[in-house]
Amino acid sequence: EIVLTQSPGTLSLSPGERATLSCRASQSVSSSYLGWYQQKLGQAPRLLIYGASNRATGIPDRFSGSGSGTDFTLTIGRLEPEDFAVYYCQQHGSSRTFGQGTKLEIK
Amino acid sequence: QVQLVQSGSELKKPGASVKVSCKATGYIFTTYGINWVRQAPGQGLEWMGWINTNTGNPSYVQGFTGRFVFSVDTSVTTAYLQINSLKPEDTAVYYCARTLGPDQDFQYWGQGTLVTVSS
Repeated sequence: EIVLTQSPGTLSLSPGERATLSCRASQSVSSSYLGWYQQKLGQAPRLLIYGASNRATGIPDRFSGSGSGTDFTLTIGRLEPEDFAVYYCQQHGSSRTFGQGTKLEIK
Repeated sequence: QVQLVQSGSELKKPGASVKVSCKATGYIFTTYGINWVRQAPGQGLEWMGWINTNTGNPSYVQGFTGRFVFSVDTSVTTAYLQINSLKPEDTAVYYCARTLGPDQDFQYWGQGTLVTVSS
């Protein structure tokens, strides 16, 4: 099983700042099979990024994804108040697994 | 538009069974599989497995075999998750989800169903 480890566990930033979230895989994952999700309290997750770097439909361009192999990054360019949430990475190159999540909170 | 609408919250006693439904609309139901994801209170997301809606063949992740049963009724475009012999640790929100295309990420999600197991 591919284990995804996200860091940091919690990220405290202010609106307008830049957020960088990390997702590290225990073995190499094809970029095509790495996605990022946003989950707000009481809501279902929402797909943000698929194929490591492609924004899903309707996702603002302040969200961007990058990375390859075992190291992937989600960047939020300028934080808006609605961006404070929990973020998960998921791989589906070998079965499917989620990272444990990064909570992005207002500083 | 694609929609997945799940059944409402359930409160069950240990040892009982529960059946959660996921009604799909807006697309040809048998074209895409339905996945199930569990989220325990305050915890992350766990993929439980998926069911091929065309053949009815389920696939379970380790840890979700035995008491968990995926099924479909194509006549009403609905997928089901049944959990038997419920335990308190089954308390969670259960989501159904569908990919955008074959072997892709989960673009579409149900709203989630809270199952609470308590005596």
